[in-house]
Amino acid sequence: EPEVTQTPSHQVTQMGQEVILRCVPISNHLYFYWYRQILGQKVEFLVSFYNNEISEKSEIFDDQFSVERPDGSNFTLKIRSTKLEDSAMYFCASSEQGADQPQHFGDGTRLSIL
Amino acid sequence: QQQVKQSPQSLIVQKGGIPIINCAYENTAFDYFPWYQQFPGKGPALLIAIRPDVSEKKEGRFTISFNKSAKQFSLHIMDSQPGDSATYFCAASKRRSGSRLTFGEGTQLTVNP
Repeated sequence: EPEVTQTPSHQVTQMGQEVILRCVPISNHLYFYWYRQILGQKVEFLVSFYNNEISEKSEIFDDQFSVERPDGSNFTLKIRSTKLEDSAMYFCASSEQGADQPQHFGDGTRLSIL
Repeated sequence: QQQVKQSPQSLIVQKGGIPIINCAYENTAFDYFPWYQQFPGKGPALLIAIRPDVSEKKEGRFTISFNKSAKQFSLHIMDSQPGDSATYFCAASKRRSGSRLTFGEGTQLTVNP
């Protein structure tokens, strides 16, 4: 079964540094998402992306965050200047077009900010 | 307005028991309600989903009950097994392409042998 793949599985970064999290969505999917889960808390929506532009973003997704689809297969989340509170598990997801199409999640990247 | 509240936070049952996890939502614009299962070190995986035009949906041992007037829905796991031990998240969204999922807080289920 096709799956969403995320790299790296764990990223350790110094506060203030830039970090890029990478995702390869399922190949025929058109909608891409980033969510995050701070340890012990709920999964929170960050941003959705369709047709090479952001379709929706949450209040968490401020100017420090950006997303990009640099080629036909990758989808990236960049955090420009990381803060301690950015430490979390970041999940990428993708879905097909259609009202009831489920979002398929990758296994996440654990981001640790020191 | 956007919240989904989930309970209990944790649940322990014996093998064969029927754990029930409850969720409540506030936003009446939500019209798609999936449940996700998450094992340690893995991403959430879709288990079962329901739309508000039906009151119950069953897939295998998993059943969603939906009460539109109360804005509540619940997951029942029949004949639970130790392999069902995981964290379960309810979620809600609008039924359109690309809509964000709003998750509940999660329930850590342990099924003892």
